[in-house]
Amino acid sequence: DAKTTQPNSMESNEEEPVHLPCNHSTISGTDYIHWYRQLPSQGPEYVIHGLTSNVNNRMASLAIAEDRKSSTLILHRATLRDAAVYYCILIVSNYGGSQGNLIFGKGTKLSVKP
Amino acid sequence: DTAVSQTPKYLVTQMGNDKSIKCEQNLGHDTMYWYKQDSKKFLKIMFSYNNKELIINETVPNRFSPKSPDKAHLNLHINSLELGDSAVYFCASSPRGRGGDEQFFGPGTRLTVL
Repeated sequence: DAKTTQPNSMESNEEEPVHLPCNHSTISGTDYIHWYRQLPSQGPEYVIHGLTSNVNNRMASLAIAEDRKSSTLILHRATLRDAAVYYCILIVSNYGGSQGNLIFGKGTKLSVKP
Repeated sequence: DTAVSQTPKYLVTQMGNDKSIKCEQNLGHDTMYWYKQDSKKFLKIMFSYNNKELIINETVPNRFSPKSPDKAHLNLHINSLELGDSAVYFCASSPRGRGGDEQFFGPGTRLTVL
């Protein structure tokens, strides 16, 4: 699986938007871009994923660069509950071989201030 | 209803013992996984299992063996426990193990080897 690069940590104020960047310059055409987060003392939690187009769901938005070499996870209004480690992960789209294994990096630790 | 459940939540044992961690998913998914999170919080895939096809991470010692009695269960057996096996173990599942699939994680089992 291709590698991703994320800042080690970011800070945000409560109620403000947060933009979490991810670089994946070696992404291939069949790689999906996934975001997961891990709250303290909990298992990882799916946030969002996309392939080429921007995506929105109830938790966040995913903005994917036109060349797909970078993406940004957008939390529209950060809450204290959003304080977590956020992981940007690439997964090959076709079944076989990796079976969709998630290869976690160090992620970005997001702190939210009241 | 809990989607992915693990038992026990905590496991404390002596070096050299053999132990098992159970995982069950009630989502009807075809693919299940085991991940290990070490003391530095680094998450690493150990196994993935889909329709009786097992893919093993080559770095996992053969003391670790997954066993799947049916599609809804993937248990982890560990023989001859070592101090370095102390970690949090997460079970996960996904519909088909493909790149566009979301993974659902269990709450984790904290294993402490004394």
